[in-house]
Amino acid sequence: QSALTQPASVSGSPGQSITISCTGTSSDVGTYNLVSWYQQHPGKAPKLMIYEVSKRPSGVSNRFSGSKSGNTASLTISGLQAEDEADYYCCSYAGTNSYVFGTGTRVTVL
Amino acid sequence: EVQLVESGGGLLQPGRSLRLSCAASGFTFYNSAMHWVRQPPGKGLEWVAGISWNSANIGYADSVKGRFAISRDNAKNSLYLEMNSLRTEDTAFYYCAKDSGSLVDTGSLNYWGQGTQVTVSS
Repeated sequence: QSALTQPASVSGSPGQSITISCTGTSSDVGTYNLVSWYQQHPGKAPKLMIYEVSKRPSGVSNRFSGSKSGNTASLTISGLQAEDEADYYCCSYAGTNSYVFGTGTRVTVL
Repeated sequence: EVQLVESGGGLLQPGRSLRLSCAASGFTFYNSAMHWVRQPPGKGLEWVAGISWNSANIGYADSVKGRFAISRDNAKNSLYLEMNSLRTEDTAFYYCAKDSGSLVDTGSLNYWGQGTQVTVSS
C-alpha cells in the first residue's frame, strides 16, 4: 500500500488549464476504475470532486474533469479560478477492501 | 443535511488505547459503507479503515492492521475506531467519511466530518 505519486505543486494563471497526475501501479490505478479526487482547503475537510475516474458529483463545477491511462490518472482544472487554490488528493481502490491516497498536490493560482 | 461528527480524540502516551466515535445524521446510515481517514499535521491524507453497511466487509491499511478495529452500530447511527498500541506516528487528525455506496469497494467518499485530533506523545 504505497501512496500514489502526485507532483508536490502545480500552478497556473486565472483562466488557464492545469493537469495533476496521479501515478499508481497495476494493483490499484491500473486495475480499478475507482479513482477519486478530493479538494482540501486549509483547515477544512476534504471534498469529493471526481469519482470513478471521470464522474462529477452533483454541485461540482464542470471545470473539473478526470481521466485515466494505464497506471496514471489525471485531474484537469480548466478556467482556473482563485477559489481553486487548494490541496488536491487522488485516491484509488487497491483491492481487498482497501484504498490508497496520493501524496497530494498544492495548486497555486498565480 | 448530511452530518458526521467525530469525537473521542485526545492526548495520550504511546502504547495506550483510544476509541473514536462518529455520529451520523441526515442520511440512511445503515445503507452506507463508512471509512476512517487520517491526516498527520502538515501532511497528506491516509486511508485507515473501511466497513460495509452490514459489517461483513472490513478493510485496514497495513500501517494499522492488527492494532485498530473499525465497527459500527446501525441502531445508533454510529461509527467507531478502536485504536490500540498507539504509536507516535498515529498522531493525526482523524476524519469519518461516508461512502457513496453500501460496500467498501465503491470508490468514493462523498461526505466527510470535521475530524478529531489524536496526539500520541510521551
